[in-house]
Amino acid sequence: QVQLVESGGGVVQPGRSLRLSCAASGFTFSTYVMHWVRQAPGRGLEWMAVISADGSSKYYADSLKGRFTVSRDNSKNTLYLQMNRLRPEDTAVYYCVWGLGHWGQGALVTVSS
Amino acid sequence: QAVVTQEPSLTVSPGGTVTLTCGSRTGAVTSGHNPYWFQQKPGQAPRTLIYDTNNKYSRTPARFSGSLLGDKAALTLSGALPEDEADYYCLLSYDDARPWVFGGGTRLTVL
Repeated sequence: QVQLVESGGGVVQPGRSLRLSCAASGFTFSTYVMHWVRQAPGRGLEWMAVISADGSSKYYADSLKGRFTVSRDNSKNTLYLQMNRLRPEDTAVYYCVWGLGHWGQGALVTVSS
Repeated sequence: QAVVTQEPSLTVSPGGTVTLTCGSRTGAVTSGHNPYWFQQKPGQAPRTLIYDTNNKYSRTPARFSGSLLGDKAALTLSGALPEDEADYYCLLSYDDARPWVFGGGTRLTVL
């Protein structure tokens, strides 16, 4: 069955960096678009980024441009989100999503001093 | 102001029918926006109910259906069950500059 397992979350100080990973299994990872979506505590869903199957095309929400980078390693069936210059308002649960149809359980990132 | 609009909250009686809508401040929602609908229960990850306006996943209960209603996308729940109480989000696709945007969500109460 499809599994998406996010890792790399935790507590980080403002201004620091963090990289999330999403290990995928149960489908042919290299042939599908992947998304990142986040949800701040008590708030709604926010679409963040999408990457094409081969990693050549990437699109981001305006609020993230320049700070966050999505990438993938199809040889490892893994999706990544590099987050730089983190702010307290980046505190959220981060979900990786296969083709908008299957969701991981999420990774909590807390940005706090 | 949010680009994608949803009712903040709705209430439906058990066994009743309710329609949630998803609008766009840029104009009418069409099939070209590829509307998606998601359900999220407290403490859980979202799950996808509807894609591309009206297509269901194999695990989507038959009582949920998607459509275009006037100038909005719509999610209709027919025969509401207590377990359908949840937050519902729509997602629309725009363009390369703003690929996907979620609505603010609708909190559905079954009471």
